[in-house]
Amino acid sequence: GAGVSQTPSNKVTEKGKYVELRCDPISGHTALYWYRQSLGQGPEFLIYFQGTGAADDSGLPNDRFFAVRPEGSVSTLKIQRTERGDSAVYLCASSREAGANTGELFFGEGSRLTVL
Amino acid sequence: DAKTTQPPSMDCAEGRAANLPCNHSTISGNEYVYWYRQIHSQGPQYIIHGLKNNETNEMASLIITEDRKSSTLILPHATLRDTAVYYCIVRVVNSDDMRFGAGTRLTVKP
Repeated sequence: GAGVSQTPSNKVTEKGKYVELRCDPISGHTALYWYRQSLGQGPEFLIYFQGTGAADDSGLPNDRFFAVRPEGSVSTLKIQRTERGDSAVYLCASSREAGANTGELFFGEGSRLTVL
Repeated sequence: DAKTTQPPSMDCAEGRAANLPCNHSTISGNEYVYWYRQIHSQGPQYIIHGLKNNETNEMASLIITEDRKSSTLILPHATLRDTAVYYCIVRVVNSDDMRFGAGTRLTVKP
């Protein structure tokens, strides 16, 4: 497929467990974003990658959250010691290049995380 | 501190124009206005963006006031499939920062 792919689409876990969410961006897109969306809210920015490096991680809520993009393509969002408040849809988006004035981010369908 | 203000919800009759307002009174000269929408259970979708001139594409028109402190997204002939949350975002030129607010929930009614 040509779009942004996110797996798993649904994840149910228990409080305290470790979770990984994967994002496969559109081929050739250098910028990759992670957002978190709670019910009835707009997407909340978490972190943005330009290539392999995190250009802005100011949205990560605390040190339980971490994201990597080791080869500049696929990214993994990692959540340690999950809490019920982490339950949300985690959205990934990619864009063609840094600072591109088209501004078009392409979003995946999201990974719905439920922490029991 | 929100950069944009949008009404939380709006209704529109099918076939009519939907006009979605956005206030961005603190916008700077180097900031674009972007619009995205999010249909239920999907990721947001880009609609249009502009700096100071009005813009039109196959999806919508964007009207920006001369002082750039507000804008209106126009869907000329709304359909039921246009029911979604519409987000107005202000973004610095050549920046990768894209932050969403709460948006406007548009309901198109038959």
